[in-house]
Amino acid sequence: GQSLEQPSEVTAVEGAIVQINCTYQTSGFYGLSWYQQHDGGAPTFLSYNALDGLEETGRFSSFLSRSDSYGYLLLQELQMKDSASYFCAVRFFTGGGNKLTFGTGTQLKVEL
Amino acid sequence: DTEVTQTPKHLVMGMTNKKSLKCEQHMGHRAMYWYKQKAKKPPELMFVYSYEKLSINESVPSRFSPECPNSSLLNLHLHALQPEDSALYLCASSLTANTEAFFGQGTRLTVV
Repeated sequence: GQSLEQPSEVTAVEGAIVQINCTYQTSGFYGLSWYQQHDGGAPTFLSYNALDGLEETGRFSSFLSRSDSYGYLLLQELQMKDSASYFCAVRFFTGGGNKLTFGTGTQLKVEL
Repeated sequence: DTEVTQTPKHLVMGMTNKKSLKCEQHMGHRAMYWYKQKAKKPPELMFVYSYEKLSINESVPSRFSPECPNSSLLNLHLHALQPEDSALYLCASSLTANTEAFFGQGTRLTVV
């Protein structure tokens, strides 16, 4: 089966940089995505890595290393509004079609 | 229009009731999904529709019955649910089964 592990909780101060890691045991997937979800809200797409390396989107960057079965989301210049849950996710093909499967999730708390 | 709209936002139903959740998108997306999310947990895939045909059923109990009447609409019919089915039900869509998924705000379901 597919498994994606993340730290359950990360705390950082406003203005800092934080890295949320995702380690996975899966194969044959198309790429690694990251989603943000505020309490009571919908998951919102942040970033996608189809290839190994770093992708940058504003204050957010995401990294993938398939050889290490590892990826991370980097958030810079943290703001209070970044307090949310963050999920890595992989899309992979099964006999019936493509699935998007989520990691265990990391709750980020940003403090003053 | 870049939204996935779900109705109702909240639903309380008895174990003998029949109800339906509705999801609508007008982005021309051809893949649509139902996910179930319990508190502090990641979304769990239930069903995938691709080009209005059911392509993935993640061994969901038959008391949940999906329907895709056309390319813009996705329903989830509920019957004889159990209290443990109480959760946030999320609908998502993507241009194809390989691309970024957009999520609706969800229906918070309580079974009493």
